[in-house]
Amino acid sequence: SQKIEQNSEALNIQEGKTATLTCNYTNYSPAYLQWYRQDPGRGPVFLLLIRENEKEKRKERLKVTFDTTLKQSLFHITASQPADSATYLCAGGNSGYALNFGKGTSLLVTP
Amino acid sequence: DAGVIQSPRHEVTEMGQEVTLRCKPISGHDYLFWYRQTMMRGLELLIYFNNNVPIDDSGMPEDRFSAKMPNASFSTLKIQPSEPRDSAVYFCASSFGDGTGRAFFGQGTRLTVV
Repeated sequence: SQKIEQNSEALNIQEGKTATLTCNYTNYSPAYLQWYRQDPGRGPVFLLLIRENEKEKRKERLKVTFDTTLKQSLFHITASQPADSATYLCAGGNSGYALNFGKGTSLLVTP
Repeated sequence: DAGVIQSPRHEVTEMGQEVTLRCKPISGHDYLFWYRQTMMRGLELLIYFNNNVPIDDSGMPEDRFSAKMPNASFSTLKIQPSEPRDSAVYFCASSFGDGTGRAFFGQGTRLTVV
C-alpha cells in the first residue's frame, strides 16, 4: 500500500539550531509533497508544497527538498525558535487531490 | 473567510448511539475531505467529494460510516451505531482545485464513545 513514513521519535533541539525532519514514501510516486504544522488541539496548517520536478523550495526560515531517487523529502527549519515546537506532518498527493499523510514528527525547541 | 467550520468540537456518546459530525467548507472550494486522526494510525482519509459528489470512499472503515454533501456549503459524517473504537479526532478539510492540493483543515471534532 502507498505509505508516507516519518520518524516517530520526537526531535529535541536547541534554539538557534537547524531542525531537519525526514519524510520517506513507498509504493507510489507522489506528484507533490506537502508539509503541514499541527499544534495540540488544532487542525493541520499548510506550510509548503514541493513538486516532483523541483529539487528545493524555500519560504522564510523553511526549506524543503524532494529527492525522487531516494524517495525522500527533507524539511528544514533554520534558526529554530521555541515557537516552532509542534508536530510536523508530511503528505503526498497526485492529481486526485486526496492527500496521504504520514504520522508526523514532534519537534521540541528548547531555549 | 472564517475557514472550515466543524461542529461539535467535542462529542461524548454511548456505544450504539448515532453520531453526526458537521462541516462547512470554505466558500468556493470544490473539494471536501473527511479525515480521522488517532495516535496509532495518524491521519487517515475516510472519503472525499468533488463538487458535492463522492469520489473515493474506500477509506470508510465500515458500513456504519456514511457521509453526505447535500450542497456546496455543508457536509455530514454519520456513524451508526457508534463503537468505542471509533473514538478519534475527525477532521474536515477543503481545497480549491488549483493543482496544488493544498488543504485547509477545520479544528476537528473529538469523538469519545464510551
